[in-house]
Amino acid sequence: GQNIDQPTEMTATEGAIVQINCTYQTSGFNGLFWYQQHAGEAPTFLSYNVLDGLEEKGRFSSFLSRSKGYSYLLLKELQMKDSASYLCAAMDSNYQLIWGAGTKLIIKP
Amino acid sequence: ETGVTQSPTHLIKTRGQQVTLRCSSQSGHNTVSWYQQALGQGPQFIFQYYREEENGRGNFPPRFSGLQFPNYSSELNVNALELDDSALYLCASSLGGLRQQETQYFGPGTRLLVL
Repeated sequence: GQNIDQPTEMTATEGAIVQINCTYQTSGFNGLFWYQQHAGEAPTFLSYNVLDGLEEKGRFSSFLSRSKGYSYLLLKELQMKDSASYLCAAMDSNYQLIWGAGTKLIIKP
Repeated sequence: ETGVTQSPTHLIKTRGQQVTLRCSSQSGHNTVSWYQQALGQGPQFIFQYYREEENGRGNFPPRFSGLQFPNYSSELNVNALELDDSALYLCASSLGGLRQQETQYFGPGTRLLVL
């Protein structure tokens, strides 16, 4: 079956760094997406990885290891506005997105 | 702003009723996907349309149906509503054609409550 695992909740301090992990099992693989979702709002696109390695985009970076079925999202210099749920989604062989349940990130002052 | 709009924003229905939710994609986006998101969960794929043809379906019963129109709008219809249908319904549009690794851009969602 197809499955995405990510922690349910994480807490971090303003100004710090946090890493949100995601493991996936899909029928075929066409890339890994990370989305941010604030409470009551729609998901917004953060990053896409299809090749192994680290992609950096400002304060956010995303890493992929295809052989391990593993990705992480790294958030640096945390701000209070980063408090949100972070959704990991893998694209399968049919180009459909399989979503994790999301990691709720709580930022404390 | 993603340029994707949905209506209505909120809706209350009773069990057994029918509902139609609407989505307007970004101009030029040929693919639209619909998702159901229960509270505290990730989105669950309902179906996807590409140029007005269904292009994939998740594990949802036939009472969930859809349409896509040439003007980049689409509909999700749900018949015989059940209490468990209460959720946030999201549409997402993407530029690409069939079988492409395209980023999906989400609308704000319609929150449906079934009583």
